[in-house]
Amino acid sequence: QLQLQESGPGLLKPSETLSLTCTVSGGSITSNTYYWGWIRQPPGKGLEWIGSIYYSGSTYYNPSLKSRVTISVDTSKNQFSLKLSSVTAADTAVYYCARLIYSSGWFNWFDPWGQGTLVTVSS
Amino acid sequence: EIVLTQSPGTLSLSPGERATLSCRASQRVSSSYLAWYQQKPGQAPRLLIYGASSRATGIPDRFSGSGSGTDFSLTISRLEPEDFAVYLCQQYGSSPLTFGGGTKVEIK
Repeated sequence: QLQLQESGPGLLKPSETLSLTCTVSGGSITSNTYYWGWIRQPPGKGLEWIGSIYYSGSTYYNPSLKSRVTISVDTSKNQFSLKLSSVTAADTAVYYCARLIYSSGWFNWFDPWGQGTLVTVSS
Repeated sequence: EIVLTQSPGTLSLSPGERATLSCRASQRVSSSYLAWYQQKPGQAPRLLIYGASSRATGIPDRFSGSGSGTDFSLTISRLEPEDFAVYLCQQYGSSPLTFGGGTKVEIK
C-alpha cells in the first residue's frame, strides 16, 4: 500500500525558506502514470495546489506561487521536495504531499495523501 | 482559474438521512473532471469520487456523484456516523487545479 510522509521544520521566521520532503514508500516514484504534488491548507481555510513534479523532473506550478516555489525529485531516495522562499505569516498552513494521477496527458485527482505537516511562520 | 463554490457551508443532519452537497464552478469543467474528497479533523483528505461520478476503490455505494458543466453534486444516501466530516470538491479540467471551500456535514 502506497504511503507518503512529509518531513521538515515546523517553525520558520518571516523571509526564510520553507523546505519540506515527501518520502514515498510502498511503491516507486518513477511510475509513468503519476505526478507527485504539494497542496497546502491554511488554518480554517480551503486547499490550495502548490505544484507537481514528474519523476523526470518536469514541473507544473500554481501561477499564484510560481515565483517562490521550487519542487524537485530524488528518485534514488524515492522522495520529492518543496522549497518556498520568502515566507510570510500567510504561508502558515498544513502542507500535504500526494500522488497525482496522470492520465490522457493531463493531471487528474490526488490519491493517496500524506498525513500533512503544520508549518508556522512567526517572528 | 476556475473557482469552485460549495454549498451549503454547513449541513446539519441526523444519521440515516440523505445528504446532498453542491459544487458550482465559475467556468465549465471540461470532461467532467471533478473529484470529491472527505476530510475528518486532523486527517488528510480521502478520495471518494473522480470523473464526477466514479467511486474510488473501497468507497461505499451510499456515496454517489453527479453533474456536468458547471454544476456537480455529491449525495450520501443514508448518513452513517462515520460520514460526518468536511467534503471538498476539486476540478482538474484546467490549470491551476483548484478546490472548493468545503461543506461540513454535522450531526443535528
